[in-house]
Amino acid sequence: GENVEQHPSTLSVQEGDSAVIKCTYSDSASNYFPWYKQELGKRPQLIIDIRSNVGEKKDQRIAVTLNKTAKHFSLHITETQPEDSAVYFCAASKLGYQKVTFGTGTKLQVIP
Amino acid sequence: DGGITQSPKYLFRKEGQNVTLSCEQNLNHDAMYWYRQDPGQGLRLIYYSQIVNDFQKGDIAEGYSVSREKKESFPLTVTSAQKNPTAFYLCASSPPDYRPTNEKLFFGSGTQLSVL
Repeated sequence: GENVEQHPSTLSVQEGDSAVIKCTYSDSASNYFPWYKQELGKRPQLIIDIRSNVGEKKDQRIAVTLNKTAKHFSLHITETQPEDSAVYFCAASKLGYQKVTFGTGTKLQVIP
Repeated sequence: DGGITQSPKYLFRKEGQNVTLSCEQNLNHDAMYWYRQDPGQGLRLIYYSQIVNDFQKGDIAEGYSVSREKKESFPLTVTSAQKNPTAFYLCASSPPDYRPTNEKLFFGSGTQLSVL
């Protein structure tokens, strides 16, 4: 089955700096890679996703890059703000299949 | 508040007791899921259901059971066979296949289960 590894487990950045979270996956058939944000005490919510037919996707201050050859994808947050503080989960799945495999999460702390 | 409701928010289980966590959605989603969240281990899939009266085991199904008698409801029973049930349990659903966002998971607010 699929295995998703996520690094780092914790990340502290100064407000205004950039943050990068990296994930690797094992199943070369995976073709859908979402990122979820979970604020303290709240439910996870999808913030951005990417399909394997593109290498990069941006949405305002967040972007995701995908390297299919290396089976590696990353989340980039620029100009971080205190409200970006949360746990971020990467995930991988195959479109058309319902099973999504999550990484272990990264706790991001943005220091004002 | 998102259309997917979990109850109760907190639940306590005694030794040898079965407990049932409720998950209801009014989003008309076909697929529903149960995840277990432990610190440092991310979200692990317990069971999922793609359609009424059908469900599949996930990665950590042992000690759990589910039913899907109605489209809106996907209750999870934590049985006495689950020796380490203390965790945060998240229910999720996803839209039908014909929707462009069908891969997106919509989560409930979770149930924290603890052992007395």
